[in-house]
Amino acid sequence: DIQMTQSPSSLSASVGDRVTITCRASQSIYSYLNWYQQKPGKAPKLLIYAASSLQSGVPSRFSGSGSGTDFTLTISSLQPEDFATYYCQQSYNTPRALTFGGGTKVEIK
Amino acid sequence: QLQLQESGPGLVKPSETLSLTCTVSGGSISNNMYYWAWIRQPPGKGLQWIGSIYYRGSTYYNPSLKSRVTISVDTSKSQFSLKLSSATAADAALYYCARHKIVGATGGIDYWGQGTLITVSS
Repeated sequence: DIQMTQSPSSLSASVGDRVTITCRASQSIYSYLNWYQQKPGKAPKLLIYAASSLQSGVPSRFSGSGSGTDFTLTISSLQPEDFATYYCQQSYNTPRALTFGGGTKVEIK
Repeated sequence: QLQLQESGPGLVKPSETLSLTCTVSGGSISNNMYYWAWIRQPPGKGLQWIGSIYYRGSTYYNPSLKSRVTISVDTSKSQFSLKLSSATAADAALYYCARHKIVGATGGIDYWGQGTLITVSS
């Protein structure tokens, strides 16, 4: 089974900060990596798919990079509405298995 | 606009079977580019994939739940369903239904239901 590890598990940042979240896979997943944003009481929202492709309607301050086992989600200038929990998810062996990282909570500093 | 809506009892007794249905509207459940999934989230915790089904009925399950899970589809009603047997307190969670591409490289989980909270208690 492919395991996904996110770091950090939480971080504090200010509006306007550049924020980076890391996700590591236990084996190569090429570019089969997606990122989601979840706000309290809401379903997750797809931000990035295939490691670096921006989902339609997602602001360009969100970007993704990486391949193989190491991936990064970057928010270039944190906005008030970006305070949320972010999850990575591997889709390398979709549909046989979908695995999520443990999440990173972005809090207001 | 595609919409997914979960329905079912919010309270399940220990050892009984949890049953949920997801109704798909605004699009076809028979779209050959997508699988339909169940995903759950215990309170304050992360996301766990339960399993996925294709409109023709092929299924894949999380190995950790496979012995207790059955997912089925009824294309005539535009619905798919989850049954999780022998429920315990560990199964208490927010349950989401969702849609994802059949090929992982072309997209993620792009539509989600609002979620339904399941409590396991006598």
